[in-house]
Amino acid sequence: DVKVTQSSRYLVKRTGEKVFLECVQDMDHENMFWYRQDPGLGLRLIYFSYDVKMKEKGDIPEGYSVSREKKERFSLILESASTNQTSMYLCASRTRKGGLGGELFFGEGSRLTVL
Amino acid sequence: GEDVEQSLFLSVREGDSSVINCTYTDSSSTYLYWYKQEPGAGLQLLTYIFSNMDMKQDQRLTVLLNKKDKHLSLRIADTQTGDSAIYFCAEIYSSASKIIFGSGTRLSIRP
Repeated sequence: DVKVTQSSRYLVKRTGEKVFLECVQDMDHENMFWYRQDPGLGLRLIYFSYDVKMKEKGDIPEGYSVSREKKERFSLILESASTNQTSMYLCASRTRKGGLGGELFFGEGSRLTVL
Repeated sequence: GEDVEQSLFLSVREGDSSVINCTYTDSSSTYLYWYKQEPGAGLQLLTYIFSNMDMKQDQRLTVLLNKKDKHLSLRIADTQTGDSAIYFCAEIYSSASKIIFGSGTRLSIRP
């Protein structure tokens, strides 16, 4: 079974702190994604990565950066956390083999609270 | 711009059918998906439909696609308490690898 693991289920940080959210997948998937989930807004794409060292901005990249140094790991970085970044963060991955329709596999989410 | 819209809430009686609707904007979408999120969990793929199909049936689930109106629906027959969840519609843009999700519909079941 595909497994997408997010390192922290719950985090509490202070305004201005640097925050790292780690995501690891074990199925050699090329594509990885970071979404944030907020009530009534659904999932909004922050960044995605086609492959190692490649990244693309999603719909709400402001205040975030990402790193993909190894194929299995995709990190989301909040350089200076703010209270409006309090949210649930979901990582996902999928393969490009077989075309565009590959299923997205999700981690269980990281709930970040910024005080 | 790119947008996927759903109503936020749906309440049905146990045993009835549930119909969750979704509209999308990109006519070049090749795949449309339904994901299910149970409380405290990530999203899991429920079903998907390729854009050249009108309908797909899988046990209690029926997906209908009206490409002209850019309208997608998910019907759950004989709704059970275990179907309580948030259901997300999503589309993939053929011009890119990104997948765009709707706001999610929270389905609640009445006894």
